Order: sequence, then structure tokens, then C-alpha cells
Amino acid sequence: DAGVTQSPTHLIKTRGQQVTLRCSPKSGHDTVSWYQQALGQGPQFIFQYYEEEERQRGNFPDRFSGHQFPNYSSELNVNALLLGDSALYLCASSSDRLNSPLHFGNGTRLTVT
Amino acid sequence: SQQGEEDPQALSIQEGENATMNCSYKTSINNLQWYRQNSGRGLVHLILIRSNEREKHSGRLRVTLDTSKKSSSLLITASRAADTASYFCATDGGNTPLVFGKGTRLSVIA
Repeated sequence: DAGVTQSPTHLIKTRGQQVTLRCSPKSGHDTVSWYQQALGQGPQFIFQYYEEEERQRGNFPDRFSGHQFPNYSSELNVNALLLGDSALYLCASSSDRLNSPLHFGNGTRLTVT
Repeated sequence: SQQGEEDPQALSIQEGENATMNCSYKTSINNLQWYRQNSGRGLVHLILIRSNEREKHSGRLRVTLDTSKKSSSLLITASRAADTASYFCATDGGNTPLVFGKGTRLSVIA
């Protein structure tokens, strides 16, 4: 049973460019959340997708957008990259049940130069 | 913004000793969860304690929750070198996303 998978594992981009990160949830999970984790900090919530709709959103600018596909996989897009966007981007899946814990992928390390 | 605040920020102990980490939060919660993260990897769920529970055990882990003080503690007994990781508390408000603290970095020295 595959857990949450993310691709790519590492990415280097230049300021102003755009990036797309991908996530496949754990089998049986229908909800996908994205988090940004800066070095030495805890994960910060970006947004959550359920039934192909953005259900909740954290305090991130519109440059951050996402999508969920019918097979529950998800993408995170970031436009007009800034140096401050350099971070570990974590995808987490869960079932839409109360008290359902998050299952995380190993993340995509994005470096913006 | 981060709701949970772990204390201490870093902890170094000898193998076999117990490790205690604390978490304080600000608003009412539905449950509180603890996660572990090995360097540069994803977080792994350790244990969940509901707001109406006061204590929970899982193997060498013991979690307490005091909703009147808005605080929780994670105790790892008989620590091992493999327990070296960062530990995060996360609060679930019910209709809000899981909010993580900044974490405690635990080093267990063999």
C-alpha cells in the first residue's frame, strides 16, 4: 500500500519563474493538504482540497494555487517565484472523517535563486 | 500563523533517559496531535488525543492534555538513538486546518 508520494524531490528555480509540484495521496484518502516548511520552522498550512475544490486556505498570496484531480491527486502551483518561497513543500492526505490524522509525503525541496 | 508553541526548542539526552516535550496553544481544540519528523523528510503521525481525554499511551509514548491550561506534554520513555528527530504538536479546531507549532529538536546520544 503506497503512502503519499510527491514529485519531484528537489527543484531549483530562478526568481520570477513558475513551478508545479505534484502529490498522490495514500490509497483510500480523498483529502489533500499542502504545507510550506521553512528551515527550522513548523509546517505552515497553504490550502486543502476535497472533491476537486479548495476547501480551506491559509495566509498565502494568490501566487499559490492548486488543483485536485478526479483520482484525488493534487498539484501545487507557485507563480512569480520569490527567494522567500524557498522551502520544503509537504503534501498530506487524509480521509474526510473527524479526527483523521494526516499522512505526509517526504516533500519537495524547492530552492529559488 | 502557528498556534502551538513547543518547549523546549531543543533537548539533548542520553540513551535510556526519558524525554519530555511540552506544547501550549491558544484557542479551543477538537483534538491535539503529535508528529515526528526526521531530518528533511515528511512528518509521521504519532498519537492523537481528543479534547475530552486527559492521557493517552502508545508504546513508549505518553501524552497528556490539560484543556484548562491549554497545554499538552509528550513523554518518550527509555529513549533510543533512533528517537532523534523533531517533534511537533498540532491542534485541530474541528472546522479548521491542522496548525503546527515550531517543534522540539530531540537529540538522543548513544
